[in-house]
Amino acid sequence: EAGVTQFPSHSVIEKGQTVTLRCDPISGHDNLYWYRRVMGKEIKFLLHFVKESKQDESGMPNNRFLAERTGGTYSTLKVQPAELEDSGVYFCASSQDSITGELFFGEGSRLTVL
Amino acid sequence: GNSVTQMEGPVTLSEEAFLTINCTYTATGYPSLFWYVQYPGEGLQLLLKATKADDKGSNKGFEATYRKETTSFHLEKGSVQVSDSAVYFCALSPPWGTSYGKLTFGQGTILTVHP
Repeated sequence: EAGVTQFPSHSVIEKGQTVTLRCDPISGHDNLYWYRRVMGKEIKFLLHFVKESKQDESGMPNNRFLAERTGGTYSTLKVQPAELEDSGVYFCASSQDSITGELFFGEGSRLTVL
Repeated sequence: GNSVTQMEGPVTLSEEAFLTINCTYTATGYPSLFWYVQYPGEGLQLLLKATKADDKGSNKGFEATYRKETTSFHLEKGSVQVSDSAVYFCALSPPWGTSYGKLTFGQGTILTVHP
């Protein structure tokens, strides 16, 4: 069974540009989460989808970040325009059950904004 | 709000040494506690978990006990191997409910084990 897949694995962009990160969860997992680790600090929650609906987006830093989950399958996280402080590693995770389900994480997408 | 504090690394040990990585937390109610591990080039993997006070989580020789009185969940292993070299994250989630996957992580501790 394929795990959580994220791409690109690494993206380098200039300040002001746009980047879109993609996450493919494990098949059948209705719950999808985005997390971010900035500059070696703690990993922080960004948002949670249940199928195509945003269950909790309290961790989204500002309106430059837009997350979508088309048809309840894969998800994208767009940063527009990117700022220097957006650099970090963006992790996606999925789970079958939001009540007791274990989270399965992808390898992360490293974003470097110059 | 919730928070997790881990001992700062990096931690460097020789093979077969004893490992302790300290983790303390601040949370309301009775959170679930986790240790995640990230091996080089891989995603985070759940190492072990405990969902109530005095529970002991264990896996691959690692153990951690949920201590409500000291709000701690320290990770231990009696004899580390080179293959244990990784980044270890302590985390908590709210009590079971719709926010179970909304984890609060510690800063991560880099462990390097030398032969």
